[in-house]
Amino acid sequence: AQKVTQAQTEISVVEKEDVTLDCVYETRDTTYYLFWYKQPPSGELVFLIRRNSFDEQNEISGRYSWNFQKSTSSFNFTITASQVVDSAVYFCALSERDYKLSFGAGTTVTVRA
Amino acid sequence: ETGVTQTPRHLVMGMTNKKSLKCEQHLGHNAMYWYKQSAKKPLELMFVYSLEERVENNSVPSRFSPECPNSSHLFLHLHTLQPEDSALYLCASSQDIPRTGDINYGYTFGSGTRLTVV
Repeated sequence: AQKVTQAQTEISVVEKEDVTLDCVYETRDTTYYLFWYKQPPSGELVFLIRRNSFDEQNEISGRYSWNFQKSTSSFNFTITASQVVDSAVYFCALSERDYKLSFGAGTTVTVRA
Repeated sequence: ETGVTQTPRHLVMGMTNKKSLKCEQHLGHNAMYWYKQSAKKPLELMFVYSLEERVENNSVPSRFSPECPNSSHLFLHLHTLQPEDSALYLCASSQDIPRTGDINYGYTFGSGTRLTVV
């Protein structure tokens, strides 16, 4: 069964629009970690954020913000005032009691000038 | 340039060829990983090494053979591959293999090797 679901396959926006990427996860562990990664066309996965299951505070980093809701098992990611350089594939991932990362299928974000 | 370097960036090989992918990190990390990223599929963990010992082999076919000669280098030896093995192969490293309760671990990924099997 898929542990991490990213329902949006592709999102296309015009520059300066906000874009929210959904991530829903499934786990029976009480201790777990959630991640977001960005994969630009160059291929490498760029770490954006790690959140543990005991910290439900929302986080903001520049134009990026994350909304962690344990009640709905969601960890959504918003890019505010999007820019062309934000165009990439974004992955949500879950790490449970072992060290393995379970990735979602990814959401391709295209920001048009 | 990330802290994890993968070579080659692109590789085209025939089904009867033997080739190797190389991954190198000088971050002082003790754990290294191989992931496979196929089109329209989530990333799949293939192998995990900790202090040069393999600790995970995720039901990967024997035509993929990993090697970790030291904590800075990781290889993936390929032989008699199939066209469906065409994918982006990503290497990653972390300080150590995280255990429950670790709150300060992360993975550094390389740029990957784009493999095409013809």
